[in-house]
Amino acid sequence: GIQVEQSPPDLILQEGANSTLRCNFSDSVNNLQWFHQNPWGQLINLFYIPSGTKQNGRLSATTVATERYSLLYISSSQTTDSGVYFCAVAGTDSWGKLQFGAGTQVVVTP
Amino acid sequence: SAVISQKPSRDICQRGTSLTIQCQVDSQVTMMFWYRQQPGQSLTLIATANQGSEATYESGFVIDKFPISRPNLTFSTLTVSNMSPEDSSIYLCSVELTGRSSYEQYFGPGTRLTVT
Repeated sequence: GIQVEQSPPDLILQEGANSTLRCNFSDSVNNLQWFHQNPWGQLINLFYIPSGTKQNGRLSATTVATERYSLLYISSSQTTDSGVYFCAVAGTDSWGKLQFGAGTQVVVTP
Repeated sequence: SAVISQKPSRDICQRGTSLTIQCQVDSQVTMMFWYRQQPGQSLTLIATANQGSEATYESGFVIDKFPISRPNLTFSTLTVSNMSPEDSSIYLCSVELTGRSSYEQYFGPGTRLTVT
């Protein structure tokens, strides 16, 4: 099956700092999503981005499908950005089955 | 987007018992999925539940342990049978909303299960 690697595994930021999270995947995809899991376990949809670039407030994401990677940018981080960020992908022949990366644990300190 | 609810939100169960988790979505969807998240780990797909057909299970998951029902296009249940402490996890359902070349998935809030 498709392999998903996220980096870095952990990230500690001071409030106001910017950061970049990376997701590498091993095959063609028709779904790539970024999620934020809050401390209560809820998965929040950040981006559906199998290709291209999107922005939503302080967050933006870029997927370069031909090179099989995606980047999530967090700008002017806030303590509420803390949590685990997951990248998940579905291959073109996987009928929607998402393969999750291991996640990046982000801690934003005041 | 979709509004997805799960019941119960959490439970503490004894070894050897079974628990049925319900997933309700506010619109009709074809594709529903069940995932497990063990403590400190990422999410792993248990099975795909499509209405009108048997659920299809991923490697390492079997129907006898995780029977699934999908009686209509807005509802599904997952049962965790004959539980052991290793089944302590968060169980999440998701739905795929398709349209205009989009395959975005949305997740329920999860059911946090502790087995003692």
